[in-house]
Amino acid sequence: KNQVEQSPQSLIILEGKNCTLQCNYTVSPFSNLRWYKQDTGRGPVSLTIMTFSENTKSNGRYTATLDADTKQSSLHITASQLSDSASYICVVRDTNAGKSTFGDGTTLTVKP
Amino acid sequence: GAVVSQHPSWVICKSGTSVKIECRSLDFQATTMFWYRQFPKQSLMLMATSNEGSKATYEQGVEKDKFLINHASLTLSTLTVTSAHPEDSSFYICSARDFPPRGPGGEQFFGPGTRLTVL
Repeated sequence: KNQVEQSPQSLIILEGKNCTLQCNYTVSPFSNLRWYKQDTGRGPVSLTIMTFSENTKSNGRYTATLDADTKQSSLHITASQLSDSASYICVVRDTNAGKSTFGDGTTLTVKP
Repeated sequence: GAVVSQHPSWVICKSGTSVKIECRSLDFQATTMFWYRQFPKQSLMLMATSNEGSKATYEQGVEKDKFLINHASLTLSTLTVTSAHPEDSSFYICSARDFPPRGPGGEQFFGPGTRLTVL
């Protein structure tokens, strides 16, 4: 069964600090991996999308990495801001049925 | 960028009534749209996959007669919650997959969600 596991479940950091969120998956065969940011009461917004051949992709202060061999991805947030407080969701899509498997998300709280 | 809208953004209704939620892809075509439900502090749960011009595919445990999905055009899908009850109160989110895909596997763009409260 395809699974996506995210860690930590929740995280509290001080404004200005960096943090890294983890995503491990068993989805196979792999198509792409996406990181989304979801603010409370809003729909998810795409941060990055990576395919098998991509190791790193950046979007401003967000940098995602992918190790397709170990089936691990991380999302690194640099110089955190209060507005980064949100849930970050890792989504992995397979190539067979084209289905996407969602992680449970990491809730990030940035405090002043 | 690709924009997906939902209407209404929130709705309060009485138990037993039906509620229709619209999902539109504003600047791209979407042959496939997805409907999710999300309870507080939980992840998105896929309810059904909607393909333009054909019947929706429902996930296990989702009642197709209760959650009616219509995907009549390449830019519009609707979800109707029939005979809504308080336990149907939730945050409903749609997403649309771009067609033709802009990248490998295509990307999913999410709507802002609809908060349904059934009294």
